[in-house]
Amino acid sequence: KNEVEQSPQNLTAQEGEFITINCSYSVGISALHWLQQHPGGGIVSLFMLSSGKKKHGRLIATINIQEKHSSLHITASHPRDSAVYICAVYYGGSQGNLIFGKGTKLSVKP
Amino acid sequence: NAGVMQNPRHLVRRRGQEARLRCSPMKGHSHVYWYRQLPEEGLKFMVYLQKENIIDESGMPKERFSAEFPKEGPSILRIQQVVRGDSAAYFCASSVPGQGSYEQYFGPGTRLTVT
Repeated sequence: KNEVEQSPQNLTAQEGEFITINCSYSVGISALHWLQQHPGGGIVSLFMLSSGKKKHGRLIATINIQEKHSSLHITASHPRDSAVYICAVYYGGSQGNLIFGKGTKLSVKP
Repeated sequence: NAGVMQNPRHLVRRRGQEARLRCSPMKGHSHVYWYRQLPEEGLKFMVYLQKENIIDESGMPKERFSAEFPKEGPSILRIQQVVRGDSAAYFCASSVPGQGSYEQYFGPGTRLTVT
Protein backbone atom coordinates (compact mmCIF):
# COMPACT_ATOMS: atom_id res chain seq x y z
CA LYS A 1 0.00 0.00 0.00
CA ASN A 2 1.37 3.40 -0.92
CA GLU A 3 1.43 5.54 2.17
CA VAL A 4 2.88 8.75 3.49
CA GLU A 5 3.78 8.75 7.16
CA GLN A 6 4.46 11.90 9.12
CA SER A 7 5.93 12.32 12.56
CA PRO A 8 5.24 13.59 15.04
CA GLN A 9 1.44 13.92 14.82
CA ASN A 10 1.43 16.77 17.32
CA LEU A 11 4.24 19.05 18.35
CA THR A 12 4.37 21.80 20.95
CA ALA A 13 7.38 24.10 21.02
CA GLN A 14 8.51 27.26 22.76
CA GLU A 15 9.10 30.34 20.70
CA GLY A 16 12.62 30.36 19.31
CA GLU A 17 13.06 26.57 19.21
CA PHE A 18 14.33 24.67 16.18
CA ILE A 19 11.62 22.38 14.84
CA THR A 20 11.83 19.28 12.66
CA ILE A 21 8.90 17.46 11.05
CA ASN A 22 9.54 14.19 9.27
CA CYS A 23 7.91 12.50 6.29
CA SER A 24 8.49 8.96 5.01
CA TYR A 25 6.93 7.36 1.96
CA SER A 26 6.84 3.83 0.66
CA VAL A 27 7.22 4.01 -3.12
CA GLY A 28 9.31 5.87 -5.65
CA ILE A 29 8.11 9.38 -6.29
CA SER A 30 8.87 12.17 -8.71
CA ALA A 31 8.39 15.06 -6.29
CA LEU A 32 7.27 15.94 -2.79
CA HIS A 33 5.24 18.90 -1.52
CA TRP A 34 5.31 20.48 1.92
CA LEU A 35 2.06 22.34 2.61
CA GLN A 36 0.90 24.53 5.49
CA GLN A 37 -2.73 24.59 6.59
CA HIS A 38 -3.70 27.46 8.86
CA PRO A 39 -6.31 27.23 11.62
CA GLY A 40 -8.74 28.98 9.26
CA GLY A 41 -8.32 26.07 6.84
CA GLY A 42 -6.48 27.65 3.91
CA ILE A 43 -3.60 25.70 2.36
CA VAL A 44 -0.32 27.26 1.30
CA SER A 45 2.34 25.45 -0.70
CA LEU A 46 5.68 25.88 1.05
CA PHE A 47 8.01 23.78 -1.09
CA MET A 48 8.05 21.32 -3.93
CA LEU A 49 11.27 19.34 -4.20
CA SER A 50 12.60 16.26 -5.90
CA SER A 51 16.16 16.23 -4.59
CA GLY A 52 18.51 17.96 -2.19
CA LYS A 53 17.46 20.92 -0.15
CA LYS A 54 15.44 24.14 -0.45
CA LYS A 55 15.36 27.14 1.85
CA HIS A 56 12.85 29.97 2.16
CA GLY A 57 13.29 32.37 5.03
CA ARG A 58 13.25 30.36 8.26
CA LEU A 59 12.00 27.22 6.52
CA ILE A 60 14.27 24.48 5.16
CA ALA A 61 13.15 21.33 3.38
CA THR A 62 15.36 18.37 2.59
CA ILE A 63 14.74 15.12 0.77
CA ASN A 64 16.68 11.86 0.56
CA ILE A 65 15.33 9.90 -2.40
CA GLN A 66 17.26 6.71 -1.57
CA GLU A 67 15.92 6.63 1.99
CA LYS A 68 12.43 7.81 0.91
CA HIS A 69 12.46 10.49 3.57
CA SER A 70 11.99 14.24 3.77
CA SER A 71 12.26 16.71 6.62
CA LEU A 72 10.87 20.19 7.14
CA HIS A 73 12.82 22.40 9.54
CA ILE A 74 11.72 25.69 11.08
CA THR A 75 14.44 27.81 12.64
CA ALA A 76 13.70 30.39 15.36
CA SER A 77 10.06 29.29 15.58
CA HIS A 78 7.35 31.87 16.22
CA PRO A 79 3.72 31.57 17.38
CA ARG A 80 2.59 32.54 13.87
CA ASP A 81 4.16 29.27 12.65
CA SER A 82 1.39 27.41 14.49
CA ALA A 83 -0.42 25.40 11.82
CA VAL A 84 -0.77 21.91 10.40
CA TYR A 85 2.11 20.91 8.13
CA ILE A 86 1.29 18.37 5.46
CA CYS A 87 3.62 16.27 3.34
CA ALA A 88 2.29 15.12 -0.07
CA VAL A 89 3.98 13.04 -2.75
CA TYR A 90 3.48 12.59 -6.46
CA TYR A 91 2.97 8.89 -6.94
CA GLY A 92 3.21 7.46 -10.49
CA GLY A 93 0.42 7.89 -13.02
CA SER A 94 -0.87 11.36 -13.67
CA GLN A 95 0.74 14.29 -11.97
CA GLY A 96 -2.50 14.93 -10.13
CA ASN A 97 -2.30 11.83 -8.02
CA LEU A 98 -1.00 13.39 -4.82
CA ILE A 99 -0.88 11.17 -1.75
CA PHE A 100 -1.07 13.14 1.49
CA GLY A 101 0.23 12.50 4.98
CA LYS A 102 -2.16 13.09 7.87
CA GLY A 103 -0.32 16.23 8.88
CA THR A 104 1.64 17.42 11.88
CA LYS A 105 -0.11 19.89 14.14
CA LEU A 106 2.42 22.43 15.40
CA SER A 107 1.75 24.78 18.27
CA VAL A 108 4.41 27.36 19.14
CA LYS A 109 3.97 28.98 22.56
CA PRO A 110 5.23 32.49 23.26
CA ASN B 1 -2.13 38.14 -10.13
CA ALA B 2 -5.03 36.67 -8.21
CA GLY B 3 -4.58 33.26 -6.67
CA VAL B 4 -6.87 30.27 -7.02
CA MET B 5 -10.46 31.32 -6.30
CA GLN B 6 -13.15 29.10 -4.91
CA ASN B 7 -16.78 29.88 -4.25
CA PRO B 8 -18.77 29.68 -2.26
CA ARG B 9 -16.51 29.52 0.79
CA HIS B 10 -19.28 27.96 2.85
CA LEU B 11 -22.23 26.00 1.53
CA VAL B 12 -25.09 24.47 3.48
CA ARG B 13 -27.33 21.94 1.80
CA ARG B 14 -30.11 19.68 3.02
CA ARG B 15 -29.91 15.96 2.34
CA GLY B 16 -31.00 15.22 -1.22
CA GLN B 17 -30.12 18.63 -2.65
CA GLU B 18 -27.40 19.36 -5.16
CA ALA B 19 -24.13 21.12 -4.35
CA ARG B 20 -22.09 23.01 -6.95
CA LEU B 21 -18.58 24.09 -6.06
CA ARG B 22 -16.63 26.42 -8.32
CA CYS B 23 -12.92 26.84 -8.84
CA SER B 24 -11.15 29.47 -10.94
CA PRO B 25 -7.48 28.60 -11.45
CA MET B 26 -4.62 31.06 -11.35
CA LYS B 27 -4.05 33.06 -14.51
CA GLY B 28 -2.09 31.00 -16.99
CA HIS B 29 -2.94 27.70 -15.30
CA SER B 30 -4.95 25.19 -17.30
CA HIS B 31 -4.73 22.20 -14.96
CA VAL B 32 -7.14 21.86 -12.06
CA TYR B 33 -7.20 19.32 -9.24
CA TRP B 34 -9.96 18.70 -6.69
CA TYR B 35 -9.27 17.31 -3.20
CA ARG B 36 -11.55 16.49 -0.29
CA GLN B 37 -10.75 16.77 3.41
CA LEU B 38 -13.19 14.92 5.63
CA PRO B 39 -13.43 16.04 9.27
CA GLU B 40 -10.40 14.87 11.26
CA GLU B 41 -8.91 13.20 8.17
CA GLY B 42 -6.21 13.99 5.66
CA LEU B 43 -6.64 15.36 2.17
CA LYS B 44 -7.63 12.89 -0.56
CA PHE B 45 -7.28 13.32 -4.31
CA MET B 46 -10.55 13.30 -6.24
CA VAL B 47 -10.04 14.38 -9.85
CA TYR B 48 -7.57 16.04 -12.22
CA LEU B 49 -8.82 18.04 -15.19
CA GLN B 50 -7.53 20.04 -18.07
CA LYS B 51 -9.74 22.33 -20.12
CA GLU B 52 -12.59 20.22 -21.57
CA ASN B 53 -10.87 17.00 -20.51
CA ILE B 54 -10.83 14.74 -17.44
CA ILE B 55 -7.33 13.35 -17.05
CA ASP B 56 -7.68 11.25 -13.90
CA GLU B 57 -10.86 10.69 -11.90
CA SER B 58 -9.62 7.70 -9.92
CA GLY B 59 -10.43 9.40 -6.61
CA MET B 60 -14.03 10.30 -7.43
CA PRO B 61 -16.87 8.35 -5.78
CA LYS B 62 -18.59 6.25 -8.43
CA GLU B 63 -22.00 7.84 -7.96
CA ARG B 64 -23.42 11.34 -7.46
CA PHE B 65 -20.09 13.14 -8.04
CA SER B 66 -19.02 14.75 -11.31
CA ALA B 67 -16.53 17.39 -12.38
CA GLU B 68 -15.98 19.52 -15.43
CA PHE B 69 -13.63 22.22 -16.62
CA PRO B 70 -15.18 23.92 -19.65
CA LYS B 71 -13.35 25.92 -22.26
CA GLU B 72 -14.70 29.11 -20.70
CA GLY B 73 -15.44 29.63 -17.02
CA PRO B 74 -14.51 27.92 -13.79
CA SER B 75 -14.15 24.26 -13.01
CA ILE B 76 -17.27 22.84 -11.33
CA LEU B 77 -17.46 19.98 -8.84
CA ARG B 78 -21.05 18.80 -8.67
CA ILE B 79 -22.51 16.58 -5.96
CA GLN B 80 -26.02 15.33 -6.56
CA GLN B 81 -28.40 14.17 -3.81
CA VAL B 82 -25.99 15.09 -1.02
CA VAL B 83 -25.79 12.97 2.12
CA ARG B 84 -24.38 13.84 5.55
CA GLY B 85 -21.16 11.98 4.73
CA ASP B 86 -20.43 14.52 1.98
CA SER B 87 -19.84 17.20 4.63
CA ALA B 88 -16.20 18.13 4.19
CA ALA B 89 -13.82 20.82 2.97
CA TYR B 90 -13.28 20.69 -0.77
CA PHE B 91 -10.09 22.24 -2.09
CA CYS B 92 -9.06 22.86 -5.62
CA ALA B 93 -5.54 23.51 -6.83
CA SER B 94 -4.13 24.58 -10.17
CA SER B 95 -0.82 24.27 -11.99
CA VAL B 96 0.78 25.28 -15.25
CA PRO B 97 0.42 22.95 -18.23
CA GLY B 98 3.09 20.45 -19.16
CA GLN B 99 4.44 17.00 -18.42
CA GLY B 100 6.05 16.07 -15.15
CA SER B 101 5.46 17.32 -11.67
CA TYR B 102 4.53 20.95 -11.34
CA GLU B 103 3.84 22.92 -8.19
CA GLN B 104 0.19 23.13 -7.29
CA TYR B 105 -1.38 26.26 -5.83
CA PHE B 106 -4.36 25.76 -3.57
CA GLY B 107 -7.58 27.70 -3.25
CA PRO B 108 -9.13 28.63 0.13
CA GLY B 109 -11.56 25.73 0.01
CA THR B 110 -15.34 25.34 0.15
CA ARG B 111 -16.75 24.00 3.38
CA LEU B 112 -19.84 21.96 2.64
CA THR B 113 -22.24 21.16 5.44
CA VAL B 114 -25.11 18.78 4.80
CA THR B 115 -27.96 19.02 7.29
